[in-house]
Amino acid sequence: ILNVEQSPQSLHVQEGDSTNFTCSFPSSNFYALHWYRWETAKSPEALFVMTLNGDEKKKGRISATLNTKEGYSYLYIKGSQPEDSATYLCAFSSGGGADGLTFGKGTHLIIQP
Amino acid sequence: GAGVSQSPSNKVTEKGKDVELRCDPISGHTALYWYRQSLGQGLEFLIYFQGNSAPDKSGLPSDRFSAERTGGSVSTLTIQRTQQEDSAVYLCASSPGVAGPSTDTQYFGPGTRLTVL
Repeated sequence: ILNVEQSPQSLHVQEGDSTNFTCSFPSSNFYALHWYRWETAKSPEALFVMTLNGDEKKKGRISATLNTKEGYSYLYIKGSQPEDSATYLCAFSSGGGADGLTFGKGTHLIIQP
Repeated sequence: GAGVSQSPSNKVTEKGKDVELRCDPISGHTALYWYRQSLGQGLEFLIYFQGNSAPDKSGLPSDRFSAERTGGSVSTLTIQRTQQEDSAVYLCASSPGVAGPSTDTQYFGPGTRLTVL
């Protein structure tokens, strides 16, 4: 059973502050790491797909880093805005071919005005 | 363009009844995935289709669960003799199927919230 852990489980951040949270995953048999944002009453939306150790990806104020050797990824949000409030999910793939992704339980982020 | 759609959006059923959930993927996407999220849990992979075939069905929780995809498009997930533990949000996703299920970006539908009384 693959274990994908996300921390913290929930996070309250003041508008304008920057924040980050963690996804840890098995470092063996790594193939890809995905980040998704899931806003209430909407569908999960893809943020990044990362495959290489040391990868850094950026989308606006959101960025992510990947360390496959130690099995973790960080998601950073710079200058948080109310619209960033959502659950952020990471998902791990071991490249099993026919398998879907193994998701963590998510970090629930609330931006306080 | 149209995204992934799922129906119904909500389904309340009695224990022991059969239910059928439908997913319409993005046009042209050859890969289709079913997941579910039970209360307090992460998204759990159920099954993956490439075209009409499902290479691996081992993610389905029990033999009461089955899924099919016809014409490489619409998929239905059927749960027979529903139990209370089947209550969850069932999400469908599709992807172009080019890079493979490990690295393809998956596009999710809005989900079906199933409540078994």
